[in-house]
Amino acid sequence: DVVMTQSPLSLPVTLGQAASISCRSSRSLVHSDGSTYLNWFQQRPGQSPRRLIFKISNRDPGVPDRFSGSGSGTDFTLKISRVEAEDVGVYYCMQGTHWPLSFGPGTKVEIK
Amino acid sequence: EVQLVESGGGLVKPGRSLRLSCETSGFTFTDHAMSWFRQAPGKGLEWVGFVRTKVSGGTADYAPSVKGRFIISRDDSKSITDLQMNGLKTEDTGVYYCTAGVAVAWGQGTLVTVSS
Repeated sequence: DVVMTQSPLSLPVTLGQAASISCRSSRSLVHSDGSTYLNWFQQRPGQSPRRLIFKISNRDPGVPDRFSGSGSGTDFTLKISRVEAEDVGVYYCMQGTHWPLSFGPGTKVEIK
Repeated sequence: EVQLVESGGGLVKPGRSLRLSCETSGFTFTDHAMSWFRQAPGKGLEWVGFVRTKVSGGTADYAPSVKGRFIISRDDSKSITDLQMNGLKTEDTGVYYCTAGVAVAWGQGTLVTVSS
């Protein structure tokens, strides 16, 4: 099974500052069809998860452009260019390339 | 607007069964695989399984932790997907979410508590 790791697990940030979350997989997430199925999710306190990014860098509709995804192979990054109060929550990466699908442990973003 | 509404959660004893249902609207149900995820209290997200579209065979795949105990089905005439959970264990406790596709759009979740 593919193991997903994230760092840091806790990320205190100042409003308006940038934030970056790293996600690594135990094997390449490049699918045989050529795509890389690496997604990012946001879960605000008390809410259901929401997909932000799919296939490394594609933002879902309605996701602010301050969120961006990058990476390849086994190393991926989610960046928030200027953190706002509504960005508080837990962020998860998830791989959809190999069965069974698997998530990282989550990164808790909080305001300093 | 895409909507997914789970129901059927509750308190159940270990070894018993429970059936969750997910009613959907706002998208073409027949065009999408449907997935189930869960989240134990205070923990992270876990994929449970998914069912393919009828065009893709309508078959399902499951996480190893639930394979052989859980069954995912779909009723395209009603735009509903169900999760039949048998042989429940205390470690199956958590909020269960259904999603359109593989985690594209999520419901609000339904809580399942397995305890004696």
